[in-house]
Amino acid sequence: DGGITQSPKYLFRKEGQNVTLSCEQNLNHDAMYWYRQDPGQGLRLIYYSQIVNDFQKGDIAEGYSVSREKKESFPLTVTSAQKNPTAFYLCASTRGIRYGYTFGSGTRLTVV
Amino acid sequence: AQSVTQPDIHITVSEGASLELRCNYSYGATPYLFWYVQSPGQGLQLLLKYFSGDTLVQGIKGFEAEFKRSQSSFNLRKPSVHWSDAAEYFCAVETSGTYKYIFGTGTRLKVLA
Repeated sequence: DGGITQSPKYLFRKEGQNVTLSCEQNLNHDAMYWYRQDPGQGLRLIYYSQIVNDFQKGDIAEGYSVSREKKESFPLTVTSAQKNPTAFYLCASTRGIRYGYTFGSGTRLTVV
Repeated sequence: AQSVTQPDIHITVSEGASLELRCNYSYGATPYLFWYVQSPGQGLQLLLKYFSGDTLVQGIKGFEAEFKRSQSSFNLRKPSVHWSDAAEYFCAVETSGTYKYIFGTGTRLKVLA
């Protein structure tokens, strides 16, 4: 079955370390997105990509980086510059914005 | 700036009772409108969407939503709630051409047996 796979499900990071969250989709979707979810704040857009080798900053891109070298993959790196990285991270994709997103099951990142 | 408001942070209903979750948006034209549901620790699942035509749309799991242009609202309804409907519900809008959604802050639904 087609879908989006996020890994790992849980991730622990020491302060000062960079970590990379994986997002892979086999839906043949062109557009992919990364959202951050914090309690009471809904979902906030970090980065998005409409096509391979191109991506745009969302509302809270500072301290994050992405790449889009393959259509299927859109990894997110949380750098040491991100002041408060502990959150639930969601990856999504779509074949067209009118169709709605397909979401992955998320990665919970905790800084220890 | 475009925005989405879900006025109710928490709602509690008894199993079998009807449900209405509110969503208001701020945008000049008619946006594309969506409702998603999220179980704890999981991703979001699309319930239904609206972008034109009949203002009452049907979705999965017995949910429906009505678009009211005059009130800038897109409220989600279900005639009879089941215990398995307990989850968090998010309204989202896409203002044409931005290629991204704006999400509301969510409404957490609790269902009493």
